[in-house]
Amino acid sequence: ELQLVESGGGLVQPGRSLRLSCTTSGFTFRDYAMSWVRQAPGKGLEWVGFIRTKRYGGAPEFAASVKDRFTISRDDSISVAYLHMNSLKTEDTAVYYCSREIHNTWGNWYFDLWGRGTLVTVSS
Amino acid sequence: QSVLTQPPSVSGAPGQRVTISCTGSSSNIGAGYDVHWYQQFPGTAPKLLMYANNNRPSGVPDRFSGSKSGTSASLAITGLQAEDEADYYCQSFDGSLTGPYVFGTGTKVTVL
Repeated sequence: ELQLVESGGGLVQPGRSLRLSCTTSGFTFRDYAMSWVRQAPGKGLEWVGFIRTKRYGGAPEFAASVKDRFTISRDDSISVAYLHMNSLKTEDTAVYYCSREIHNTWGNWYFDLWGRGTLVTVSS
Repeated sequence: QSVLTQPPSVSGAPGQRVTISCTGSSSNIGAGYDVHWYQQFPGTAPKLLMYANNNRPSGVPDRFSGSKSGTSASLAITGLQAEDEADYYCQSFDGSLTGPYVFGTGTKVTVL
């Protein structure tokens, strides 16, 4: 069964760090780029960042709102992606979803699988 | 920060047809990049509803259809059903510094 399961969320103070995990199963993880998408309470979807496959260099890219504070890594040996969040702000409070990316022709990129999400609350 | 604009809400009676617009710019939809749509029920994760403008994943009813023209795209639901009440988001690729992924502002569909 295709599955993405996020974990690691919780309550954290502003300025602190947190690491989220996305544990996957049912597909060949190393063949897919993976993204993190967040949704603040009552708000819309916001793309946070993604990590390429090792075949394409494995480098991540990020939205401007989190660049220089967040990073993404992957461990293909255990089919897990991570979101490392540093210098957290109250505005980072959101449900964080892990998603599998489909890259077809250039620019035809989308998310075909989503996890259930994990809630991160940044508050003192 | 959303760069694709959607109406906050649309509504219709059961059996009617509703459409949701998604307006972008020359750096995303207008540049020829495809548009994709997601459906989200309260408290659940988004689900891919339409990809590459007008392609439905397996299991998505054919009452859902998509189109794209210029800097905009649309999602249509014909024969609206109570179970279609949800939030809908468009998404595209963006070639500017905001990219590569951009989402729409989201539309709440209400079945009257």
